[in-house]
Amino acid sequence: GQNIDQPTEMTATEGAIVQINCTYQTSGFNGLFWYQQHAGEAPTFLSYNVLDGLEEKGRFSSFLSRSKGYSYLLLKELQMKDSASYLCAGGRTYNFNKFYFGSGTKLNVKP
Amino acid sequence: EAGVAQSPRYKIIEKRQSVAFWCNPISGHATLYWYQQILGQGPKLLIQFQNNGVVDDSQLPKDRFSAERLKGVDSTLKIQPAKLEDSAVYLCASSVGIKNTEAFFGQGTRLTVV
Repeated sequence: GQNIDQPTEMTATEGAIVQINCTYQTSGFNGLFWYQQHAGEAPTFLSYNVLDGLEEKGRFSSFLSRSKGYSYLLLKELQMKDSASYLCAGGRTYNFNKFYFGSGTKLNVKP
Repeated sequence: EAGVAQSPRYKIIEKRQSVAFWCNPISGHATLYWYQQILGQGPKLLIQFQNNGVVDDSQLPKDRFSAERLKGVDSTLKIQPAKLEDSAVYLCASSVGIKNTEAFFGQGTRLTVV
């Protein structure tokens, strides 16, 4: 199956660290992708994990545990502009890249 | 580098009318996707092309939706006739098509069916 679960909404304070979790059924995906989507705009790619462990890209890091069907996106030093929805997407990229998106987590950053 | 281009940005139609959306992917991208995103939900894949062939259209409501990518470059998505529940943002995305590469999205077309 392709069920992907994320919390619907989270609130955090500017300057803080927030972790957005994503769980999925382990069958079928060989990669886990994270996208950011500001209201009314297109999703933009943040990071992806193919192997277990942590991938760090500046203020954003993503973690994957394939055996547990679990990923998280870690945002450090939160800024007001980080207020957006964060979409977790399972990838089937064996041949043709297919992406299956969760419903997204709306992050509200407050001063 | 130019991104994924979509038009129109907004469209309002009455139910039972028809509508068409256009997408021009990033140059050289073999894979093209059409997603439907209903407010508050994640994007749902409608159809995926590899060059001018369909890879996956399992979630496309084929009785009313159709899509084509005749020359393997730009693509059109059509709805005929539209229903109220088709109100959504229609996102086009493209990717190089190589394993483990991300998809790039266009700005989308916001469709309102009244």
